[in-house]
Parts: sequence; structure tokens; C-alpha cells
Amino acid sequence: DAGVIQSPRHEVTEMGQEVTLRCKPISGHDYLFWYRQTMMRGLELLIYFNNNVPIDDSGMPEDRFSAKMPNASFSTLKIQPSEPRDSAVYFCASSLGQGPKAFFGQGTRLTVV
Amino acid sequence: TQLLEQSPQFLSIQEGENLTVYCNSSSVFSSLQWYRQEPGEGPVLLVTVVTGGEVKKLKRLTFQFGDARKDSSLHITAAQPGDTGLYLCAGAYNQGGKLIFGQGTELSVKP
Repeated sequence: DAGVIQSPRHEVTEMGQEVTLRCKPISGHDYLFWYRQTMMRGLELLIYFNNNVPIDDSGMPEDRFSAKMPNASFSTLKIQPSEPRDSAVYFCASSLGQGPKAFFGQGTRLTVV
Repeated sequence: TQLLEQSPQFLSIQEGENLTVYCNSSSVFSSLQWYRQEPGEGPVLLVTVVTGGEVKKLKRLTFQFGDARKDSSLHITAAQPGDTGLYLCAGAYNQGGKLIFGQGTELSVKP
């Protein structure tokens, strides 16, 4: 049974470049979350969707960040332009219904140089 | 604003010792989860507690939800090196599936 799948696992990019992170949630799950994890700030919720609709994007740090969920099986998190302070591990998670038992992907380690 | 405070942040113990990790908040949660995260991996759900005063056991791990649903603890008996990892608590409010995470407790169990 496939879990949450994220790609790429690692991304190194130069400052100013556009970065797109991808996520495939567990089939049948209706909630999708994007988190960012750093040593300083821990796990921060960036945005979450319910049935493909963004519900709360208050955690998105700046307009440089955007997220989409065009269908139930795919979501993207885009950073344009990227900056060194965006370096972190980005996690996607999904859950079923109101019960917040989130299942996490393996994360994308982003390094902006 | 950090809504969930975990303590201690770091814990280094010898194999066989017992330990307790605390998760505290001024907010009331509808449920609280504990996750364990290993290096290079995403957090993995260990347990969910829902009822105030609830106690759940998972082998050598005991989880308790406070009576007022504002705090929780994780107790590990006879810790083993395989317990090493980052332990995260996460609280959920009534509105949907949004989780708020604590900063985590980095546990190291030495053989």
C-alpha cells in the first residue's frame, strides 16, 4: 500500500530560481498538508487543502510561495524566486476525514545556494 | 507563537533507563498525537489520544492525555537504542485536520 509520495527527495538550486515540489497523497485521503521543517522553527504548517480546496494558507511565509492541488491525487508547492533562507525539509502529509491522523511523506530536502 | 511546548528538548540516556517527555499548552485540543521521526524520514504516527485522562500503551511506551486536554506525556520504560529519534507531539483543534506541532524532543539512547 503506497504511502505519501514526494519528489524530488533532494533539490539543490541557485538563489533566484524557481523550485517546484510535488506530492501524491494516499488514495482516498481528503486532506493534504504542506509542512516545512527547520532546526530553528521545527515543523511549521504552510498550507492545507480539503477536497482539493485550500482551507488555510496563513502559514505561507511570503508571496513567493504558492501551492496548488489540481486534483485529488496531486499537489505542488512552488517557490519563485527561491532564497537561501528557504532551505529546509518540506513535508507533504495527507489524512482522511476530520480525524487528524496525518501520514507523512519522506520529505524533500531543499538547499538554495 | 509556539502553542505546544515540549520538554526536554534533548535527552541522552543509557539503555534500560526510563524517561518521560512532556507536551504542554494553554490551549484545549480535540485530540493530540505523538509522532516519531528518524533522520531522513517523515514523522510516523505512534498514537492518538482523544479523551481527557486517556492512557494508551504501545509496548514499552505509555501515552497520557491530561484531564483538561491541554497537555500530554510520553513515558518510555527500559529504553533501548532503537528508541532513538525525534519525538513530536501535535495537537488538533476542532476545525478540520489542522495539526500544530511541538518543537520536538531529541532522544538518544546509548547502549
